[in-house]
Amino acid sequence: AQTVTQSQPEMSVQEAETVTLSCTYDTSENNYYLFWYKQPPSRQMILVIRQEAYKQQNATENRFSVNFQKAAKSFSLKISDSQLGDTAMYFCAFMKYTNAGKSTFGDGTTLTVKP
Amino acid sequence: KAGVTQTPRYLIKTRGQQVTLSCSPISGHRSVSWYQQTPGQGLQFLFEYFSETQRNKGNFPGRFSGRQFSNSRSEMNVSTLELGDSALYLCASSLAGRQGAEQYFGPGTRLTVT
Repeated sequence: AQTVTQSQPEMSVQEAETVTLSCTYDTSENNYYLFWYKQPPSRQMILVIRQEAYKQQNATENRFSVNFQKAAKSFSLKISDSQLGDTAMYFCAFMKYTNAGKSTFGDGTTLTVKP
Repeated sequence: KAGVTQTPRYLIKTRGQQVTLSCSPISGHRSVSWYQQTPGQGLQFLFEYFSETQRNKGNFPGRFSGRQFSNSRSEMNVSTLELGDSALYLCASSLAGRQGAEQYFGPGTRLTVT
């Protein structure tokens, strides 16, 4: 079974600064997806970024980028130029190619962006 | 495109009762997944349906069941409710292919069992 670990339950960052959220996972699979999702307070979960395991290039989406280290089974999220609207719980998730529709989530990291 | 919708948004039930939650996926999405979110257990996978067939099932008792209709809408049912079933139930839809693995979540149904 796959496991996803987010070792930082809570983090805070000053507005406009950069913050990195950590995620490690354990799997024997070679083909899989990794995702970061954001769940703002009392709002619905949205996808932040996705990475396919076979791609060596790290995914980026505007201010969001990942550092994907397949051998180390590490998938960290970097948020640059943090904004107040980035305040949310962030979940790292794993999905096997062969198990579409079934994500395994970490426990989440609550990020607070301070003005 | 309209997003994933879930009804009802809030529900209060009594122990022993049963409940049915509904989810309408994004148009064109054939995969619908259900998750239970609680402060203590986090996000846990319940089951996933694709083209009216259950493809994956999580480690939940048989009191939790679901189905999917030909229009991809899905329902989940919880029978004989227990206090521990109080949670936010999230539905997510996806294309479920190589180009559409990411899931799009609905706002959730907040179930409170008293």
